[in-house]
Amino acid sequence: AQSVAQPEDQVNVAEGNPLTVKCTYSVSGNPYLFWYVQYPNRGLQFLLKYITGDNLVKGSYGFEAEFNKSQTSFHLKKPSALVSDSALYFCAVSHGSGNTGKLIFGQGTTLQVKP
Amino acid sequence: SQTIHQWPATLVQPVGSPLSLECTVEGTSNPNLYWYRQAAGRGLQLLFYSVGIGQISSEVPQNLSASRPQDRQFILSSKKLLLSDSGFYLCAWSRDRYGYTFGSGTRLTVV
Repeated sequence: AQSVAQPEDQVNVAEGNPLTVKCTYSVSGNPYLFWYVQYPNRGLQFLLKYITGDNLVKGSYGFEAEFNKSQTSFHLKKPSALVSDSALYFCAVSHGSGNTGKLIFGQGTTLQVKP
Repeated sequence: SQTIHQWPATLVQPVGSPLSLECTVEGTSNPNLYWYRQAAGRGLQLLFYSVGIGQISSEVPQNLSASRPQDRQFILSSKKLLLSDSGFYLCAWSRDRYGYTFGSGTRLTVV
């Protein structure tokens, strides 16, 4: 079965420090991986995705993620955190065939950036 | 450009009352459509998805149903709401497996 794990319920960092939000996945076949961010009572905003190609993916708002096939991981990173980055972050994998896929989410990680 | 609309934004309904949440997509045709529920501000659970008019797949047995009466319209319904139906409901669309766009969500409180 396809699944995504985010092992940390919450990550705390100081403003200006680098941040990492962890994600591991379990899929059959090639993984299509995504990161979304959610602010309170809002929909999900797309940050970045890995479909194929370079293992380091750059996305919105200075975020990037590294696809590691051997470790089945897709950790989200940012070199310097901002207080405004505080939000709920979701890792997801697209599971399906052809042009039809379901997005399966991890449980989410709350990022708290303190001034 | 494509846009997705979801309404209402918030809803308070008594136990046992019916429910209808609507989602529409503009600027594309034959999208894949999805309903997700988020309980307690955490994980997102896929409830239903649709690859075409009248084609609905249910992911979990529950008190809810979905319909797709038109190509770009996806409706989430219930005949009688339960307290456990409370949550944040998100609609999404995709053209393929490479990108998914979400609506702004509906906060449903069953009292």
